[in-house]
Amino acid sequence: NAGVTQTPKFQVLKTGQSMTLQCAQDMNHEYMSWYRQDPGMGLRLIHYSVGAGITDQGEVPNGYNVSRSTTEDFPLRLLSAAPSQTSVYFCASSYRDDTQYFGPGTRLTVL
Amino acid sequence: AQSVTQLDSQVPVFEEAPVELRCNYSSSVSVYLFWYVQYPNQGLQLLLKYLSGSTLVKGINGFEAEFNKSQTSFHLRKPSVHISDTAEYFCAVSDRGSTLGRLYFGRGTQLTVWP
Repeated sequence: NAGVTQTPKFQVLKTGQSMTLQCAQDMNHEYMSWYRQDPGMGLRLIHYSVGAGITDQGEVPNGYNVSRSTTEDFPLRLLSAAPSQTSVYFCASSYRDDTQYFGPGTRLTVL
Repeated sequence: AQSVTQLDSQVPVFEEAPVELRCNYSSSVSVYLFWYVQYPNQGLQLLLKYLSGSTLVKGINGFEAEFNKSQTSFHLRKPSVHISDTAEYFCAVSDRGSTLGRLYFGRGTQLTVWP
């Protein structure tokens, strides 16, 4: 099993550009989440999904969109990148309320 | 909503000394509790978790944690640390039986082990 994979590992964007961060898991987990990690802030939940076709907002959803068309994939879209979105992004998956498994992260810089 | 407080943002210790990283949470419902570790430039890895049963939980790399319901705490301990334990440690909670699968994280504690 590859677990949770994320691409790309690094990305630099200019303000106003859009992009999609990819996340895939091969553990057949129902639950998938996106977090951002900023220094001194821990991990904050952006969006999450409890199954294919079902998504909801977390603590910091503004500026991001998600969709879940399959169990395996949960892409995160930045609509119009802003410097405040410079962060490290982690995708995670789990079986309900049990252990979440994290991907290796995407380090995003917005200039 | 849940909240998680990690009482120390930085903990420096010497190699082979004991360490305790403190975590308190607030919740109106029963919870599951987790400790994750993040090594530099890596993702998060599960250290240990409390779901039910014995309140003393043992994890990987010699770490253990004790769930104290009355004090709403889940402190992480190791009797003798190594240089390789230098990392950031996150405490997290989820609602027991929740259908949402949400984790609430503390802000993290940076453990630095000196030779």
